[in-house]
Amino acid sequence: DTEVTQTPKHLVMGMTNKKSLKCEQHMGHRAMYWYKQKAKKPPELMFVYSYEKLSINESVPSRFSPECPNSSLLNLHLHALQPEDSALYLCASSQELENTEAFFGQGTRLTVV
Amino acid sequence: QQQVKQSPQSLIVQKGGISIINCAYENTAFDYFPWYQQFPGKGPALLIAIRPDVSEKKEGRFTISFNKSAKQFSLHIMDSQPGDSATYFCAASREYSGGGADGLTFGKGTHLIIQP
Repeated sequence: DTEVTQTPKHLVMGMTNKKSLKCEQHMGHRAMYWYKQKAKKPPELMFVYSYEKLSINESVPSRFSPECPNSSLLNLHLHALQPEDSALYLCASSQELENTEAFFGQGTRLTVV
Repeated sequence: QQQVKQSPQSLIVQKGGISIINCAYENTAFDYFPWYQQFPGKGPALLIAIRPDVSEKKEGRFTISFNKSAKQFSLHIMDSQPGDSATYFCAASREYSGGGADGLTFGKGTHLIIQP
């Protein structure tokens, strides 16, 4: 099983809403990532978790708040987003941080209205 | 500053031909170079990856060629098929001296179209 599952697949939210994106993997991976991808652009790293601890925060605005409740789950809490935050949000995982294969989920298509 | 430069931006190849996508990097600390394939509305899927200790790696119709001195690597898709039509991203990452890595830095992508 090399699957990373993201829910929901699509999300439309207003600028005053609070929502959460969820990511789950059952491969025993200890590193998990959030990436943001705008249309026709490459994915951009947002956060890295290693052994359930935040390892990297790429200067992401505080309206994005990551959470890693356990080794299989990764959440991204959203609050007071802007229309320019509309994008495909991708979760990925790898066995360890040390440059091993990273598997991506199908993403959540987020639209902020 | 773009750390991984990818070319061409778009590529059209006839069915059965060879598709070639090139990437160049600047950071000599990079030591892992994967290629990802992405279809519209889907997440990137790992195709093949290479480390600097080898100059070439082949998996099926996909080959990575790596030139450490030139800081360049390329993806070759042999016998290209219409189903290969997708966006391809090269990427690179590095390992911290204290262990760990800082995620993937992607090239800008190549939109590949295989014409029947």
